[in-house]
Amino acid sequence: GAVVSQHPSWVICKSGTSVKIECRSLDFQATTMFWYRQFPKQSLMLMATSNEGSKATYEQGVEKDKFLINHASLTLSTLTVTSAHPEDSSFYICSARPQGSSQPQHFGDGTRLSIL
Amino acid sequence: ELKVEQNPLFLSMQEGKNYTIYCNYSTTSDRLYWYRQDPGKSLESLFVLLSNGAVKQEGRLMASLDTKARLSTLHITAAVHDLSATYFCAVDVYSGSRLTFGEGTQLTVNP
Repeated sequence: GAVVSQHPSWVICKSGTSVKIECRSLDFQATTMFWYRQFPKQSLMLMATSNEGSKATYEQGVEKDKFLINHASLTLSTLTVTSAHPEDSSFYICSARPQGSSQPQHFGDGTRLSIL
Repeated sequence: ELKVEQNPLFLSMQEGKNYTIYCNYSTTSDRLYWYRQDPGKSLESLFVLLSNGAVKQEGRLMASLDTKARLSTLHITAAVHDLSATYFCAVDVYSGSRLTFGEGTQLTVNP
């Protein structure tokens, strides 16, 4: 079945550091990928929709300059948390769906980001 | 704005018992998904419901969709401890669109 790989799975870094998270669709092409954030005991909140070859679409309240998204190919999207602070600590999950398919979105394993 | 509400949010039940989790949504859609999330893990797809009246079953879980009522149910039969997890329903308005998630139902099955 369709697989989405997310890397790294866990990051601990100091405040002020920028962190890049990769999301790859391993056996299908995805013109659209989605980035979610999940705080403990809460649901997933969509941060942005990553569009291959064009700018990402951000949800209201999500800072574009802080959460940089690049979707350079049909199989790779990256999320960079710039100048991360403790309040950015969260579980970040990406997802993708095979093009033209009625399959559900396939989720990466998530990245746990801890900012000290 | 599409809203998705789950009920209950927390559920503690004994092994062997039955229970139903409800998922209501506010906008017309015929695409509803159920996911399972274990602590510290990402989401695992359980069911995809694509039409009114759709019913799918896998093991002790059965999901159904009533698009007219904008309601989906996830029924648990003879619960076992391994079913303990958080269950999310999610809706998208059309293929390829963003998913809107319910709040999640945290299920604990006690021996």
